[in-house]
Amino acid sequence: ELKVEQNPLFLSMQEGKNYTIYCNYSTTSDRLYWYRQDPGKSLESLFVLLSNGAVKQEGRLMASLDTKARLSTLHITAAVHDLSATYFCAVDMVGGADGLTFGKGTHLIIQP
Amino acid sequence: NAGVTQTPKFQVLKTGQSMTLQCAQDMNHEYMSWYRQDPGMGLRLIHYSVGAGITDQGEVPNGYNVSRSTTEDFPLRLLSAAPSQTSVYFCASSFGLAGGDTQYFGPGTRLTVL
Repeated sequence: ELKVEQNPLFLSMQEGKNYTIYCNYSTTSDRLYWYRQDPGKSLESLFVLLSNGAVKQEGRLMASLDTKARLSTLHITAAVHDLSATYFCAVDMVGGADGLTFGKGTHLIIQP
Repeated sequence: NAGVTQTPKFQVLKTGQSMTLQCAQDMNHEYMSWYRQDPGMGLRLIHYSVGAGITDQGEVPNGYNVSRSTTEDFPLRLLSAAPSQTSVYFCASSFGLAGGDTQYFGPGTRLTVL
């Protein structure tokens, strides 16, 4: 059974600070997805990481994937209030076609 | 393109009632899926379909049925609603999964079962 663990589950930080969200998963996979969800809204795709060592950046967010360590990180640089949201990582199994397994999400609050 | 649409946005049911949650996409995606989101649980896969006429169970399929008669539509049926099915339901679609295609999510249906 594929398990996906995120930490922290809750994070309160100040604007201008840097921080990293971690996503560990339990079985072999080389496809890792990051989503953002605002309160009461749907999920918005942020990054799709498809190979070991993949790194993608968009604005103040950067995601990376280490398939050997079964670890992905989402790094926030110089946080701003607009990045407050819940962030989910999700993984699908190698060779599988049965959808994504999600972590429980990281609820991020960025305070002025 | 409207993307992925879901109806209704909100629904209240009594225990034992049945209903259908509608999902449609206009992106010609072969892969469609249903998830439920409960507080502190992330999203869990209910059912999925890799194309018209093909469906399969996900992690939490009990109490739900699906069908896929067209590429565009993927309705989710609650056979006899229970309070444990109170949740937010999201439909998602993508071209496929093998290539790591991005899944696009609908706006969600918030269901309360009394």
